Amino acid sequence: QQQVRQSPQSLTVWEGETAILNCSYENSAFDYFPWYQQFPGEGPALLIAIRSVSDKKEDGRFTIFFNKREKKLSLHITDSQPGDSATYFCAASSSNNRIFFGDGTQLVVKP
Amino acid sequence: GALVYQYPRRTICKSGTSMRMECQAVGFQATSVAWYRQSPQKTFELIALSTVNSAIKYEQNFTQEKFPISHPNLSFSSMTVLNAYLEDRGLYLCGARERGRDTQYFGPGTRLLVL
Repeated sequence: QQQVRQSPQSLTVWEGETAILNCSYENSAFDYFPWYQQFPGEGPALLIAIRSVSDKKEDGRFTIFFNKREKKLSLHITDSQPGDSATYFCAASSSNNRIFFGDGTQLVVKP
Repeated sequence: GALVYQYPRRTICKSGTSMRMECQAVGFQATSVAWYRQSPQKTFELIALSTVNSAIKYEQNFTQEKFPISHPNLSFSSMTVLNAYLEDRGLYLCGARERGRDTQYFGPGTRLLVL
């Protein structure tokens, strides 16, 4: 059973729009949710992360909204730029245990 | 800052041969190192999780006999792909984490091509 699911698989937005990437998880014990950004030919880089005690985490144009009751979270990228075009991975873990990754959302921002 | 290096970045080997890849953490103590294989479709497969002073835990479908891992200190880990075949192709990622911290830092990966 896949522990972390992401949608959509791919997303295209115009420059300046807000991109919304969705994520859901299965295990209620998960308490740490990082999002990674991966460009072609590179490894994933930590973009922003949230703990389950919070319902929102903001860092510049990137915001995570977290709903513990529904076991869902989303990454909002406001004022999207062509340089944001990448694959974004939602991940989840609990108490220093292994990290589970979703299958990623490929984002394309058109100028 | 925390950085993870991987070497080589890209390697080609003949079918049935073996190759070794390395992972080095800089700026923090890599008490645990996770090795992943990322498919062309970007899916992550966890191969094994190595924690200093603990046994290496391999995931289902991956074995020590095929992917032996060494984690001798808090800054270095290596993994070998023995008898590589076409199905072993992919991007091998090293993710390192410090005890007590949640963040896992990744290297750029070693891309393995098998001919």
